[in-house]
Amino acid sequence: EVQLVESGGGLVQPGGSLRLSCVASGLGIRSRDMHWVRQVTGKDLEWVSGIAIAGDTYYADSVKGRFTISREDGKNSLYLQMNSLRAGDTAVYYCVRARHLTGKENTWFDIWGLGTPVTVSS
Amino acid sequence: QSVLTQPPSVSGAPGQRVTISCTGSSSNIGTGYDVHWYQQLPGTAPKLLIYGNTNRPSGVPDRFSASKSGTSASLAITGLQAEDEADYYCQSYDTTLSNVVFGGGTKLTVL
Repeated sequence: EVQLVESGGGLVQPGGSLRLSCVASGLGIRSRDMHWVRQVTGKDLEWVSGIAIAGDTYYADSVKGRFTISREDGKNSLYLQMNSLRAGDTAVYYCVRARHLTGKENTWFDIWGLGTPVTVSS
Repeated sequence: QSVLTQPPSVSGAPGQRVTISCTGSSSNIGTGYDVHWYQQLPGTAPKLLIYGNTNRPSGVPDRFSASKSGTSASLAITGLQAEDEADYYCQSYDTTLSNVVFGGGTKLTVL
């Protein structure tokens, strides 16, 4: 069964750091572009970051310079290092597998993890 | 405010047909970028429903269909069932923002 399982979320104070992990089973992290998408207040979905098969990384402007996406092929795992966290980063973070046929702009997300909640509050 | 605009809610009786619109602009859907749709059942993660404007992944019933025209897209659900009650999101790419964008989501209520 193809599955993505996130971990590492929790409560952190503003300015703090967290490292999210996503372990894949039934699929290779290395074989597809992988992304993080977050959902705020149970409604709004927001793309956060992505890493291509070749290792290129992409970030939303709201997290650029604070978040770092990485991949460890040997552990079939995806990570998101989040620094200088703000209240606005509070959300459920999903690890997602991406697919595209006609250019990266036409990317869709075909497999989603269960999500891990992050709360930034003092 | 989401780049792609969806109605906050729609409703329909069992067996009826409902549509959910997704309105963008010349910097996203209007540029020709594909639109994709997701279904999020209560308490679960989003699930891919439609990709590449009109394509259903394996396992998605043919009661679900979608289309795209100009700067908008639309998801149609026919033969509405109680299990279809969920939030639905559209997704595309925005050339001004240079990233993936989502609609604000539409809550479907089956009466």
